[in-house]
Amino acid sequence: AQSVAQPEDQVNVAEGNPLTVKCTYSVSGNPYLFWYVQYPNRGLQFLLKYITGDNLVKGSYGFEAEFNKSQTSFHLKKPSALVSDSALYFCAVRDMRLTGAGSYQLTFGKGTKLSVIP
Amino acid sequence: DGGITQSPKYLFRKEGQNVTLSCEQNLNHDAMYWYRQDPGQGLRLIYYSQIVNDFQKGDIAEGYSVSREKKESFPLTVTSAQKNPTAFYLCASKVLGEQFFGPGTRLTVL
Repeated sequence: AQSVAQPEDQVNVAEGNPLTVKCTYSVSGNPYLFWYVQYPNRGLQFLLKYITGDNLVKGSYGFEAEFNKSQTSFHLKKPSALVSDSALYFCAVRDMRLTGAGSYQLTFGKGTKLSVIP
Repeated sequence: DGGITQSPKYLFRKEGQNVTLSCEQNLNHDAMYWYRQDPGQGLRLIYYSQIVNDFQKGDIAEGYSVSREKKESFPLTVTSAQKNPTAFYLCASKVLGEQFFGPGTRLTVL
């Protein structure tokens, strides 16, 4: 079964500094990876995804993520953090080996709370 | 939150009562999902449906039931058999591998 780990419950970063939110995954076969963001009492918003191709994926709101197959990681990054980036971030993985109706599933990490300090 | 609506936003239930959470989407998506979110545990899949009149149990289906009579609607019933129902419930629909989420319903058992 696939799994996702977000090793940090919370990340604090000063406004204007670069930020990284870590994610590692475990799947059999090729991974299909996602990042979502959640603001308080709201649903999840899609940020970006990796299917295949370039290891650096660019997404919404200036975020990007780097896929590293050898380290089984998909860390979320942003060059310059904003206070408005403060939120809960989720990494998720879909195992591309699973096919057929009824077998699609996203597995989410436990989330990392990002706090950007003014 | 796209074209997915969930109601109500807040719901209070007495112990022993069944309650139904609404999820409607106007995105014409075939697949729909229900997740439960608890602090520090991320999202856990309750039920999902790939097409109308078909649905499958997720990781934590016990104490929950669903129906999918229409493409647009995927209501979730939290039954009295669910021993710890207080949580934030998220509905999602999917197209081309990407899931779109509703705004959520916060259920509190009194």
